[in-house]
Amino acid sequence: KNEVEQSPQNLTAQEGEFITINCSYSVGISALHWLQQHPGGGIVSLFMLSSGKKKHGRLIATINIQEKHSSLHITASHPRDSAVYICAAGQGGSEKLVFGKGTKLTVNP
Amino acid sequence: DTGVSQDPRHKITKRGQNVTFRCDPISEHNRLYWYRQTLGQGPEFLTYFQNEAQLEKSRLLSDRFSAERPKGSFSTLEIQRTEQGDSAMYLCASSLVTGGAYQTQYFGPGTRLLVL
Repeated sequence: KNEVEQSPQNLTAQEGEFITINCSYSVGISALHWLQQHPGGGIVSLFMLSSGKKKHGRLIATINIQEKHSSLHITASHPRDSAVYICAAGQGGSEKLVFGKGTKLTVNP
Repeated sequence: DTGVSQDPRHKITKRGQNVTFRCDPISEHNRLYWYRQTLGQGPEFLTYFQNEAQLEKSRLLSDRFSAERPKGSFSTLEIQRTEQGDSAMYLCASSLVTGGAYQTQYFGPGTRLLVL
């Protein structure tokens, strides 16, 4: 069993839909990261959170420390949101990241 | 600030050859991480540096792999006697760590290695 599990693995949505991607982790964390990876490999950090909720534009990330669960929400999805979204657990003093396998999101116009 | 850069972006080599990759972090960042990503998988941690000191290496990093950050700025990752299983995207990330606060890691574009 992976230390960081994401669901779903693939997600197809219509433009405008509300999207939820889930992440469960079994390791101790210093912080939980949500990352976006576009075709070609570039990775961009979206959120880093250790409690509660953060919002940036149409993106919202939440975390429940007791349940070891985090969610990434996208409101009013758009085709440009199509990418792979990766959840990663930052560990210990090193803050090295343990990654989930990613969720491939496709938003159709 | 031009972000994290990696060179080369692509490398094709024959099995048994040595390859070296370079990562230039964001200039003031004191932490530098190397990760490896194979097709369809999330990245995996390889090693990290705090300034010039290599503080942790993954068990994934066999003796054929060596990384350096000689002056606490750029870093190199060398793979000796490459094997087909080394084919992957090699990602570098950097962050600025001060005190105990957790910090965002900024990723480079990656070096895609293909071993024939």
